[in-house]
Amino acid sequence: AQSVSQHNHHVILSEAASLELGCNYSYGGTVNLFWYVQYPGQHLQLLLKYFSGDPLVKGIKGFEAEFIKSKFSFNLRKPSVQWSDTAEYFCAVNAGRGSTLGRLYFGRGTQLTVWP
Amino acid sequence: DVKVTQSSRYLVKRTGEKVFLECVQDMDHENMFWYRQDPGLGLRLIYFSYDVKMKEKGDIPEGYSVSREKKERFSLILESASTNQTSMYLCASSSTEIIYEQYFGPGTRLTVT
Repeated sequence: AQSVSQHNHHVILSEAASLELGCNYSYGGTVNLFWYVQYPGQHLQLLLKYFSGDPLVKGIKGFEAEFIKSKFSFNLRKPSVQWSDTAEYFCAVNAGRGSTLGRLYFGRGTQLTVWP
Repeated sequence: DVKVTQSSRYLVKRTGEKVFLECVQDMDHENMFWYRQDPGLGLRLIYFSYDVKMKEKGDIPEGYSVSREKKERFSLILESASTNQTSMYLCASSSTEIIYEQYFGPGTRLTVT
């Protein structure tokens, strides 16, 4: 089975600090990679995704992520966080085949708290 | 905009009760998913469906069943609720054309007492 590891369970930052959340996955073949975000009291929504091409992808609200195939990683970054970025962030990987083609494997999530 | 709705935001049930969680999507998506979300464990897939009347087990199907009689509706059934099924339940859907990108509902927080 595929596995997705998120290194940090809880990250606490001050506003304007830089953010990097780590994500590693276990599958060696072709993968599609995602970061989802869940703001307090809201549903999960897509932050950004990587299917192919430029390994540096940009998402909403100034977030970006870099796919490094040799490291099986897809780390999320933001140069300067805001209080409104306080949320839980989930990395997800699709590496299915056949009947499992559409399923995603999620990491355990990282809670980001930004202090104003 | 894709809309995925779930029948209840909060639900309290007693041990042993049969519980139905309903999910409806309005974008004619072929694929639908049920997850449970627990602190520190992330999202774990319970069941998914790629077509009407079709279902596949996810990682934690024990104690659950599903029903998909219509394309837009995917129901999760707890045959006999237990306290360890207290959790947040999330429904998601995706289209076959962009099958990897899932759209999530608001979740149902189920408490079993």
